[in-house]
Amino acid sequence: QVQLVQSGAEVKKPGASVTVSCKASGYTFTSYYLHWVRQALGQGPEWVGIINPSGGRTSYAQKFQGRVTLTRDTSTSTVYMELSSLKFEDTAVYYCARDRHQSGSDVFDYWGQGTLVTVSS
Amino acid sequence: DTVMTQSPDSLAVSLGERATINCKSSQSILDTSSNKNFLVWYQQKPGQPPRLLISWASTRDSGVPDRFSGSGSGTDFTLTISGLQAEDVAVYYCQQHYTTPLTFGQGTKVEI
Repeated sequence: QVQLVQSGAEVKKPGASVTVSCKASGYTFTSYYLHWVRQALGQGPEWVGIINPSGGRTSYAQKFQGRVTLTRDTSTSTVYMELSSLKFEDTAVYYCARDRHQSGSDVFDYWGQGTLVTVSS
Repeated sequence: DTVMTQSPDSLAVSLGERATINCKSSQSILDTSSNKNFLVWYQQKPGQPPRLLISWASTRDSGVPDRFSGSGSGTDFTLTISGLQAEDVAVYYCQQHYTTPLTFGQGTKVEI
């Protein structure tokens, strides 16, 4: 069965960087795009960006351009999200989510369990 | 960016009654060449990630009970839960995937 397992909760200071991992299993890793979506407490989800695990190509929401980097390791079927220059307002649960179609549809069918990133001084 | 606005923010419905949630996009998300609306609905329960319920505005995903239905086109969409069950208590989100950045509504909380 498809599973996306994320790394554990993080607490970071403003200005620091955080890296969250997402390990995929149960399907061919390079066949489906993976997205990152974040959700602040009590808010709607917010799309961060997408990575093509096959070639590594990425696209980011303009809001995060210059601060976010998505990478992948095909040997371990893992994608990574690094967010730098953290601000208090980056405090949120970060999810990885699989695109439901191999051709890319920007609709999410499987989600990781979420990783809480807390930015606190 | 395409702004998605849901209404109401919350609603309380009796068991077995109908719940209606609205979602309005700031620009049309209908692709006229395919006649498809790039609108999906998710359900989110506390402590869980969202679950895909409906795609293309009105197509139920596999395993989704038929009491969930979606309608609408262009900029105005509706999610209807006919015959609310206790397990339907959740927050519901619409999302457009017509253009990037992908955007979600702020959510509608459904309670008994």
